Amino acid sequence: EIVMTQSPATLSVSPGERATLSCRASQSVSSNLAWYQQKPGQAPRLLIYGASTRATGITARFSGSGSGTEFTLTISSLQSEDFAVYYCQQYKNWPPNYTFGQGTKLEIK
Amino acid sequence: EVQLVESGGGLVKPGGSLRVSCAASGFTFSNSSMNWVRQAPGKGLEWVSCISSSSSYIWYADSAKGRFTISRDNAKKSLYLQMNSLRAEDTAVYYCVRDYTYWYFDLWGRGTLVTVSS
Repeated sequence: EIVMTQSPATLSVSPGERATLSCRASQSVSSNLAWYQQKPGQAPRLLIYGASTRATGITARFSGSGSGTEFTLTISSLQSEDFAVYYCQQYKNWPPNYTFGQGTKLEIK
Repeated sequence: EVQLVESGGGLVKPGGSLRVSCAASGFTFSNSSMNWVRQAPGKGLEWVSCISSSSSYIWYADSAKGRFTISRDNAKKSLYLQMNSLRAEDTAVYYCVRDYTYWYFDLWGRGTLVTVSS
């Protein structure tokens, strides 16, 4: 099983600033990585797939980078609606055995 | 509107059984592979099971093997998860999720809460 590790567990950032979230895979997943945003009481929402491609309707303030085992989600100029929990997920395995990181909570500083 | 709506959650005793359902609308359900993903209270996301569009292929997480059964009815545009021998650690919100060609999860339902407690 590929283990996904996110850091930090909690990130405190002021509105208008940039946030950088990290995700590490226990083995290479190439670019088979997605990022999701989850707000309290809501289902997760797809933000990024293929490590760097924004999903439909996602603002350009969200960007993803990385490949292999190290990935980054960057949110520029944080808005109030961006404070949430973010998960990374790998989809390299075949047959499917999807794994998620434990999440990073982005909170208002 | 493109959506997934889960139902059937509730309180069940340890060792009991429950079936949760998911109704799809707004897209061609019969062309889509589908999944169940769960989230224990205050915890992260855990993939549970995946079923191919024609039900020919089914996969389970180790935590679900031998106890859970995923199925679908394309005529009714519905996805199911039969859960047997339930344990306290199965307590979670169960999300019905569409995947894009067995890659990422591009459509999520709002979830249904399953609580396993005596």
